[in-house]
Amino acid sequence: GAVVSQHPSWVICKSGTSVKIECRSLDFQATTMFWYRQFPKQSLMLMATSNEGSKATYEQGVEKDKFLINHASLTLSTLTVTSAHPEDSSFYICSAPGAHEQYFGPGTRLTVT
Amino acid sequence: QKEVEQDPGPLSVPEGAIVSLNCTYSNSAFQYFMWYRQYSRKGPELLMYTYSSGNKEDGRFTAQVDKSSKYISLFIRDSQPSDSATYLCAMIRNDYKLSFGAGTTVTVRA
Repeated sequence: GAVVSQHPSWVICKSGTSVKIECRSLDFQATTMFWYRQFPKQSLMLMATSNEGSKATYEQGVEKDKFLINHASLTLSTLTVTSAHPEDSSFYICSAPGAHEQYFGPGTRLTVT
Repeated sequence: QKEVEQDPGPLSVPEGAIVSLNCTYSNSAFQYFMWYRQYSRKGPELLMYTYSSGNKEDGRFTAQVDKSSKYISLFIRDSQPSDSATYLCAMIRNDYKLSFGAGTTVTVRA
């Protein structure tokens, strides 16, 4: 099946700094990618839709200036958490759609101290 | 009301038992129905997907969809300790956006 990778898999940063997370589709092109956030023992919550060559669309309640998304190519989307705070600590997962399903990356665990 | 409702459990069964999981949904626009398995600190992996009412089997897994009742189920036969994970139902509209259930944590006891 299709493969989606994420980098880094785990990152610790200090409060106030910014962190970039990469999502790559390894063997297919993705004009659209999705970013999810998952808190412990909770389900995945869609944050935003990343569109290649255009602005991302954000779900209600997600701050677009805090979670910057760039979809610069057909195989790469990046999520930058700006001015991170401890409450941003979470598991961030990206996905890319196939014909009938979503292919998920392995996730990035962000811890903000 | 959430679009997708799923009992978070936890659910604990002995090895060899049948695991029964289900979700209900409220949005008639959902076209495809998936079950994902997620191990701790990992991304979800697709187990099965269906798009019509009825049953679909894949090895020890059976997915059921009842669109008239807006109800989907996943059954795991002959459960193994390696099946211990969180199982998430998910549904997709024609805009590819997924709506997830809360996930049910399953433990299969050896």
